[in-house]
Amino acid sequence: DQQVKQNSPSLSVQEGRISILNCDYTNSMFDYFLWYKKYPAEGPTFLISISSIKDKNEDGRFTVFLNKSAKHLSLHIVPSQPGDSAVYFCAASAGGSNYKLTFGKGTLLTVNP
Amino acid sequence: EAGVVQSPRYKIIEKKQPVAFWCNPISGHNTLYWYLQNLGQGPELLIRYENEEAVDDSQLPKDRFSAERLKGVDSTLKIQPAELGDSAVYLCASSPRTGGQQYFGPGTRLTVT
Repeated sequence: DQQVKQNSPSLSVQEGRISILNCDYTNSMFDYFLWYKKYPAEGPTFLISISSIKDKNEDGRFTVFLNKSAKHLSLHIVPSQPGDSAVYFCAASAGGSNYKLTFGKGTLLTVNP
Repeated sequence: EAGVVQSPRYKIIEKKQPVAFWCNPISGHNTLYWYLQNLGQGPELLIRYENEEAVDDSQLPKDRFSAERLKGVDSTLKIQPAELGDSAVYLCASSPRTGGQQYFGPGTRLTVT
């Protein structure tokens, strides 16, 4: 039973446009959510996070939105750049810390020049 | 600052053979994690260390997998004997403390033939 779901295996957008990556979760105990970015042959790198006490967190071109009632979060990248092309993992944890992360399967984002 | 170092980067072995992976975390990071990432999946936690103590090994298949972090710095993950289904990427991560941001190494890609 997948507790964190990324239902889109891939997404393709044009450079300069908005990229929206979605994530759903089923475990109501999750209260901390993270996005990681992964390039081929590298480990995941932390991108942005959000606590369940917030519904939005912004960092430069990256914004994460959390809808607790729908158990849904999304990552917005504006404007998208070719260097953003990577696999994006959504992760969640319970207990307010990120030490035990449950990851989704990832979404491959391709930003076309 | 040097990142998390893992070796080897790639390993091909025949089934029933033993294999070991090595991880050197970021200097000063007390918490060390080993993750398993199967093809098309997100990372799954195998074991977490606080200094030299394994504080969460509930997901480690103990019949064939073992890990150690003798001096609270480097860590080794071992599989003996390896099975075909063990083919995956093994990721090591570290964080300054439990609940802190996790920094991932590049992983070891294991192929069991």
